[in-house]
Amino acid sequence: QKEVEQNSGPLSVPEGAIASLNCTYSDRGSQSFFWYRQYSGKSPELIMSIYSNGDKEDGRFTAQLNKASQYVSLLIRDSQPSDSATYLCAVIPVSGSARQLTFGSGTQLTVLP
Amino acid sequence: DTGVSQNPRHKITKRGQNVTFRCDPISEHNRLYWYRQTLGQGPEFLTYFQNEAQLEKSRLLSDRFSAERPKGSFSTLEIQRTEQGDSAMYLCASSVGQNYGYTFGSGTRLTVV
Repeated sequence: QKEVEQNSGPLSVPEGAIASLNCTYSDRGSQSFFWYRQYSGKSPELIMSIYSNGDKEDGRFTAQLNKASQYVSLLIRDSQPSDSATYLCAVIPVSGSARQLTFGSGTQLTVLP
Repeated sequence: DTGVSQNPRHKITKRGQNVTFRCDPISEHNRLYWYRQTLGQGPEFLTYFQNEAQLEKSRLLSDRFSAERPKGSFSTLEIQRTEQGDSAMYLCASSVGQNYGYTFGSGTRLTVV
């Protein structure tokens, strides 16, 4: 089982719709969770961090965390074509061989004008 | 510029040659990380420094790879006797603490021919 799993997509949504991106993780003790956006050919850019169960909102972005289900999600409201990118879920595990930021393989999002 | 700086941006080398990459982290960040990313995958952790001490190395980091951070500021990643499988984007990141999001540099894209 991979430490961080995401649906690879691609996910396509029309402009103005809500895009929903999902992620599960295997280390139940993990405390820190992040979403990164990566445009093609560029490096990852941190867009959200979440540490407690529940929702965290920042502009059009909402991160949701459910530690009991080991599930993290990212909602993008009023999606824009400029949101088209790969979204990487990342977790800092507390056990295992590497206790540094561990990434999923990413979900490619396309917002259609 | 207060971001993470990486040089060079691109490197093409012949198989068997040695290459060295440089990373200058954000000055207030004492933690520095190296990651490798291949097409369609999330970044994979390679190694981590806290100040000048290399505290963690992934099993991905073969004997041909070596990293240094001599004065706790910039870092170098050297790959000896490059192989075609080393072709990837090499990303450097820095952070202020273990559970904070990492800020990534623009990366060095290595192509081994």
